[in-house]
Amino acid sequence: DGGITQSPKYLFRKEGQNVTLSCEQNLNHDAMYWYRQDPGQGLRLIYYSQIVNDFQKGDIAEGYSVSREKKESFPLTVTSAQKNPTAFYLCASSIGGTSYNEQVFGPGTRLTVL
Amino acid sequence: KQEVTQIPAALSVPEGENLVLNCSFTDSAIYNLQWFRQDPGKGLTSLLLIQSSQREQTSGRLNASLDKSSGRSTLYIAASQPGDSATYLCAVGAGTALIFGKGTTLSVSS
Repeated sequence: DGGITQSPKYLFRKEGQNVTLSCEQNLNHDAMYWYRQDPGQGLRLIYYSQIVNDFQKGDIAEGYSVSREKKESFPLTVTSAQKNPTAFYLCASSIGGTSYNEQVFGPGTRLTVL
Repeated sequence: KQEVTQIPAALSVPEGENLVLNCSFTDSAIYNLQWFRQDPGKGLTSLLLIQSSQREQTSGRLNASLDKSSGRSTLYIAASQPGDSATYLCAVGAGTALIFGKGTTLSVSS
């Protein structure tokens, strides 16, 4: 079955640590996205990539970094510069690189800072 | 800047009731509007996608309408069931990524 996988499901980070969240899709989609969700809030865009080896910052990119070396993979690194990283992180993908195309979402990773 | 608002924030209804969830947006220049369902601790499941040229979409007991000129969309759920309990998010497509509302949390009691 085609879809998006995210790992791990739960992640715990100590102060000062960098952690990497995995996102893989087998839908042959060109575009991939990372969103952050805080309790009682809508999703906010962190980074997006419309094509391999290219990505752009979203609304809240500070303290995060990404790479897009393969079409199917779009890992997100939460760096120590992100002061309040505890949140639910959702990865999505779409056929094209604009919101004209329907986005499919993964199951999410919950990150907690200890 | 596009803003998306969902009212009410929470809703409790008895099983079998028909209900309407509301979504409003400030800029009518959108590609589409998408309704999602989110269960606690889970990802988003797409329910309905309405392109800007369409007025409504239907799937089973769900019907979503779109009025671009007034900046409004509604999600109608017929004959609600306890399994419909979840948070419902609407999002508008305008540019690269989706812009989300904060959601309506629905509780259907048996």
